Amino acid sequence: DAGVIQSPRHEVTEMGQEVTLRCKPISGHDYLFWYRQTMMRGLELLIYFNNNVPIDDSGMPEDRFSAKMPNASFSTLKIQPSEPRDSAVYFCASSFSWGPNYGYTFGSGTRLTVV
Amino acid sequence: KQEVTQIPAALSVPEGENLVLNCSFTDSAIYNLQWFRQDPGKGLTSLLLIQSSQREQTSGRLNASLDKSSGRSTLYIAASQPGDSATYLCAVLMDSSYKLIFGSGTRLLVRP
Repeated sequence: DAGVIQSPRHEVTEMGQEVTLRCKPISGHDYLFWYRQTMMRGLELLIYFNNNVPIDDSGMPEDRFSAKMPNASFSTLKIQPSEPRDSAVYFCASSFSWGPNYGYTFGSGTRLTVV
Repeated sequence: KQEVTQIPAALSVPEGENLVLNCSFTDSAIYNLQWFRQDPGKGLTSLLLIQSSQREQTSGRLNASLDKSSGRSTLYIAASQPGDSATYLCAVLMDSSYKLIFGSGTRLLVRP
């Protein structure tokens, strides 16, 4: 099992550009989560999906952020247009359903720098 | 709204010491609690998961306890080693949703 795979590992972009972050969850996991980590705010949940359907996007900061999950093995988080305050590490995590040992597996993250 | 607090924010100890990291949460309606480790510039590694009906979990030199009614958890690390240096994060899974709410972490440095 390769774990949760995120790409790219690092992204540097100029303010105003579109940024797309990618995530491949663990095969068979039916929940997928996008988190953002900053020094000031720690880890914040942005959005999560169940069976490819967005369930709660209340953590998405603004309309500039959007997320999709076209199939069970792929999700994207898009920022358009990007701003310097979007600089953070973005993590994707996945989990298998709801059970007594329900736990998350995190990817290695994408470090985004907007200049 | 659930709030998760970790104390201390940073800790520096000499190698070999036993140490305790603390986590508290305001809403006891949790499904489980997880402790994660994060190395600088890396992702999160799950260390221990305690279900709400359990009191503790052990893995090697790590022992995590949970007192759901008082909203507290501790992570005990025995015989600390320099390789234990990392940030330790506590997170609770809410009973009413699938959201994992994180504390701000304790940054641990174990000096050789």
